[in-house]
Amino acid sequence: DAGVIQSPRHEVTEMGQEVTLRCKPISGHNSLFWYRQTMMRGLELLIYFNNNVPIDDSGMPEDRFSAKMPNASFSTLKIQPSEPRDSAVYFCASSLRDRTYEQYFGPGTRLTVT
Amino acid sequence: AQKVTQAQTEISVVEKEDVTLDCVYETRDTTYYLFWYKQPPSGELVFLIRRNSFDEQNEISGRYSWNFQKSTSSFNFTITASQVVDSAVYFCALSEAGFQKLVFGTGTRLLVSP
Repeated sequence: DAGVIQSPRHEVTEMGQEVTLRCKPISGHNSLFWYRQTMMRGLELLIYFNNNVPIDDSGMPEDRFSAKMPNASFSTLKIQPSEPRDSAVYFCASSLRDRTYEQYFGPGTRLTVT
Repeated sequence: AQKVTQAQTEISVVEKEDVTLDCVYETRDTTYYLFWYKQPPSGELVFLIRRNSFDEQNEISGRYSWNFQKSTSSFNFTITASQVVDSAVYFCALSEAGFQKLVFGTGTRLLVSP
């Protein structure tokens, strides 16, 4: 079975540009999470969805960040405009909400903003 | 508030040595879940184990074992007869019941040399 799929795997962009990260959760999972990993802050949750509905976006850094989940098999995380401090690895994870809270992570997108 | 502490930043061992990674957690809830994830040099996050707060039995999976002690709020991870392939960053994480958010520790980097 396919795991969580993220694209692109690497993204290099210039400050001020819009960046869109994509995620396809594991089929049948009904919860989706976006995390960010940096050296300074470690792994931190940005936002998560249950059944395509955003539940907790308190980790979203600021209004430049937005996330959507238009259907059960696709989610996007958008940064507009991007800044150098957004450089990080962004992970998407999915889980079955009514099970055991085990989250399965995608390979991550390494974002570099110059 | 939830908190996970991994005091060991980096551990270096020689192949075949046993090694224990420490994890101490804080939570006010009586129902919670504890996790270990592995992040190899390739960067993905691999789920290793989940333990709920009502199950204090230790678990063994091959060379891996986990010791959960509520009395000391610890969930330690031991690798027996370490191998070079065990080299990775290992994260301990906590989730309170009813909240799907994973709170991660800062990770322990394990280096296993031949």
